[in-house]
Amino acid sequence: EIVLTQSPATLSLSPGERATLSCRASQSVSSYLAWYQQKPGQAPRLLIYDASNRATGIPGRLSGSGSGTDFTLTISSLEPEDFAVYYCQQRSSWPYTFGQGTKLEIK
Amino acid sequence: EVQLLESGGGLIQPGGSLRLSCATSGFTFGTYAMSWVRQAPGKGLEWVSGISGSGIGDYTYYVDSVKGRFTISRDISKNTLFLQMNSLRVEDTAVYYCAKGAAALGVIDYWGQGTLVTVSS
Repeated sequence: EIVLTQSPATLSLSPGERATLSCRASQSVSSYLAWYQQKPGQAPRLLIYDASNRATGIPGRLSGSGSGTDFTLTISSLEPEDFAVYYCQQRSSWPYTFGQGTKLEIK
Repeated sequence: EVQLLESGGGLIQPGGSLRLSCATSGFTFGTYAMSWVRQAPGKGLEWVSGISGSGIGDYTYYVDSVKGRFTISRDISKNTLFLQMNSLRVEDTAVYYCAKGAAALGVIDYWGQGTLVTVSS
């Protein structure tokens, strides 16, 4: 099973700042990595798939990068609606696995 | 508009069974892979089971912790996904999300609102 480790566990930033979230895989997942956002009491929402492709309706301030074992989700300028929990997920091999999440909170 | 509506959750004793349903609309149900993903209270996400879309047979897959206890299936005539859960354990307690696969296998582009399964004596 591929283990995904996200860092940091919690990120405290202010609106307008740049956020950088990391996801490291225990073995190469090529570019088969997605990012999801989850707000309290809601289902997750797809943000990025295959490392760098934005899902439909996702604003340009969100971007993904990386390949192999190291990936990054960047939010260039935080908006109030960006504060949430973010999960990475690999689809390189079954079982598909998620990282433990990074909570992005308002400083 | 894609809609996924889960039902069937509730309180069940250890060793019991439940059948979750997910009624879908807004897309060609049989074409896409479908999955169940769960989230224990206050915890992260776990991909529990999936079923392939049409064209490559009804291939099913399960995480090891539910293999032999859970069965995923679908009724294309009713646009409905199921998860039969037997021999339930306390550690199966979670919100269970029905999820639609994107064109890229292993990516989820739509999620239901979730149904809570509580396994407790």
